[in-house]
Amino acid sequence: DIQLTQSPSFLSASIGDRVTITCRASQGINNYLAWYQQIPGKAPKLLIYAASTLQSGVPSRFSGSGSGTEFTLTISSLQPEDFATYSCQQLNDYPFTFGPGTKVDLK
Amino acid sequence: EVQLVESGGGLVQPGGSLRLSCAASGFIFSIYSMNWVRQAPGKGLEWVAYISRSSSPIHYADSVKGRFTISRDNAKNSLYLQMNSLRAEDTAVYYCARDYSTMGFDNWGQGTLVTVSS
Repeated sequence: DIQLTQSPSFLSASIGDRVTITCRASQGINNYLAWYQQIPGKAPKLLIYAASTLQSGVPSRFSGSGSGTEFTLTISSLQPEDFATYSCQQLNDYPFTFGPGTKVDLK
Repeated sequence: EVQLVESGGGLVQPGGSLRLSCAASGFIFSIYSMNWVRQAPGKGLEWVAYISRSSSPIHYADSVKGRFTISRDNAKNSLYLQMNSLRAEDTAVYYCARDYSTMGFDNWGQGTLVTVSS
């Protein structure tokens, strides 16, 4: 099975900060990498797919990059509604594993 | 508007069974693959099962293989998860999620809570 790790696990930031979250895969995943945002008590929301493609309706301050085994999610200027947990997911092979998540909190 | 509505969750004893349903609307259900994803209390997301639009192929997480069965009824726009031999570690919110060409899960239901406890 492909394992995903995320760093950091927890991140304190302020409004307007640039935030970067890293997701590493245990083997190459051909850019079949998605990012999700989850607010407590709500379902996850797809932000990025194919490593760098912004899902329709997602603000342009979110961006994804990377290839092979290392990927990043960047929020260019953190907004109040962005305080949430962010998880990556690989869809290169079954089982479709998720990363453990990164919680972004207010500093 | 795409809508996915799960139902069937509840409290069940260890070793028991439960059948979850997911009612889809607002899109052509029969042309999309679907998934079940769960989230234990305070934990991360765990993919559970996948079913293609034609019901073959099907894939399961190792943690549920042999105990859970995913199925669908395209005529009824519905997705199902039959869960047998339930364990305490199956306690979670279960989400159904639409598969966006295996690029990501682009629509999710609100989730249904399954609690396995005596």
